[in-house]
Amino acid sequence: AQKITQTQPGMFVQEKEAVTLDCTYDTSDQSYGLFWYKQPSSGEMIFLIYQGSYDEQNATEGRYSLNFQKARKSANLVISASQLGDSAMYFCAMRLTNTGNQFYFGTGTSLTVIP
Amino acid sequence: DAGVIQSPRHEVTEMGQEVTLRCKPISGHNSLFWYRQTMMRGLELLIYFNNNVPIDDSGMPEDRFSAKMPNASFSTLKIQPSEPRDSAVYFCASRLTTGWKGPGELFFGEGSRLTVL
Repeated sequence: AQKITQTQPGMFVQEKEAVTLDCTYDTSDQSYGLFWYKQPSSGEMIFLIYQGSYDEQNATEGRYSLNFQKARKSANLVISASQLGDSAMYFCAMRLTNTGNQFYFGTGTSLTVIP
Repeated sequence: DAGVIQSPRHEVTEMGQEVTLRCKPISGHNSLFWYRQTMMRGLELLIYFNNNVPIDDSGMPEDRFSAKMPNASFSTLKIQPSEPRDSAVYFCASRLTTGWKGPGELFFGEGSRLTVL
């Protein structure tokens, strides 16, 4: 069963605009962590932001914020003031605390920032 | 600080040949993962180690694949014999297990791009 769903294969955003990348997850566990990674065309996987299931506030890291809606089981990534360098694949992932090391990755969303 | 180091970055080989991919995790990290990424299947977990012990190898495609972690600072993924369908980017990642506190995110290497002709 797919635990992470990213329904947007590709997204376009105008430079300097904000964009939201969708991620929904499926688990009955109460303790888990949600992660977003960026993969530019060069191929490396870069950790962006983390949200714990018990965190009451949405996580923020610079221009990245995570819109965490627990009841809806969604963990959308919001990128504000998009830059050309934000063009990349973005992956949502979940780790269940009880299973320790198992990370579940989504299929990714390709973001293109248009000048 | 040194990140996860993988070698080789690129490998082109012929079908039937043995391929060995290498990984040095971040010092102090106690978990190591091997992932495979293809356009068709996305990012797949092949195997992971905890404290050098293989914990879950259910993602290893078949007996042609094997992985070892002889010590905390080195791991190998071997494919013997290689086939064209093994062509992919292979990522090694490591993390420090933190219990429930903190992200304990995965740190990825730059990947090894394998092409089997």
